[in-house]
Amino acid sequence: AQSVAQPEDQVNVAEGNPLTVKCTYSVSGNPYLFWYVQYPNRGLQFLLKYITGDNLVKGSYGFEAEFNKSQTSFHLKKPSALVSDSALYFCAVSPYTGGFKTIFGAGTRLFVKA
Amino acid sequence: DAGVTQSPTHLIKTRGQQVTLRCSPISGHKSVSWYQQVLGQGPQFIFQYYEKEERGRGNFPDRFSARQFPNYSSELNVNALLLGDSALYLCASSLASGQMRTDTQYFGPGTRLTVL
Repeated sequence: AQSVAQPEDQVNVAEGNPLTVKCTYSVSGNPYLFWYVQYPNRGLQFLLKYITGDNLVKGSYGFEAEFNKSQTSFHLKKPSALVSDSALYFCAVSPYTGGFKTIFGAGTRLFVKA
Repeated sequence: DAGVTQSPTHLIKTRGQQVTLRCSPISGHKSVSWYQQVLGQGPQFIFQYYEKEERGRGNFPDRFSARQFPNYSSELNVNALLLGDSALYLCASSLASGQMRTDTQYFGPGTRLTVL
């Protein structure tokens, strides 16, 4: 079955430290991968996506993600966390085959402490 | 430019009733998708519409239906509401200029539906 897993419900990091939010996927064929962020009482905001090409993708607000095909992972990273990065982060995949759909992970809550 | 707009913001219904949620995409966007987000979970894909036709459907019962209008706005209808339908319903629009699977989706703020 096609799925996305975010193994950590919550990630805690100190301001200024690097952060990583993990994501693994299971789909047939080449995946199209996305990261979105959700602030309280708001819709999702796009951060970045991997379609093809360079495995390191750079996105909004200093975030980047690394696509690893052998490990079927697409971890979100930032070199230096800000308190304002505290939010709910979702990894998503659009499978290459079958009808259109986007599969989201359950989300990871990021807390950045000052 | 205005982002994706959804109405109403909040809605309270009772079991068995029917509800219609509305979505206006970003100007120039031709595709609209609907998602259900239950508290504490990720969004679950319900439908995707492009050029007034359904192009994708998630694992939701036939009580859920949608349509897209010539101006690309969309409505989501849910009949015979159940307590479990209580959720945040998100609408997303995308350009749909080529390979829609690779499109960035832009989300509205959502409609919070409470079923009592």
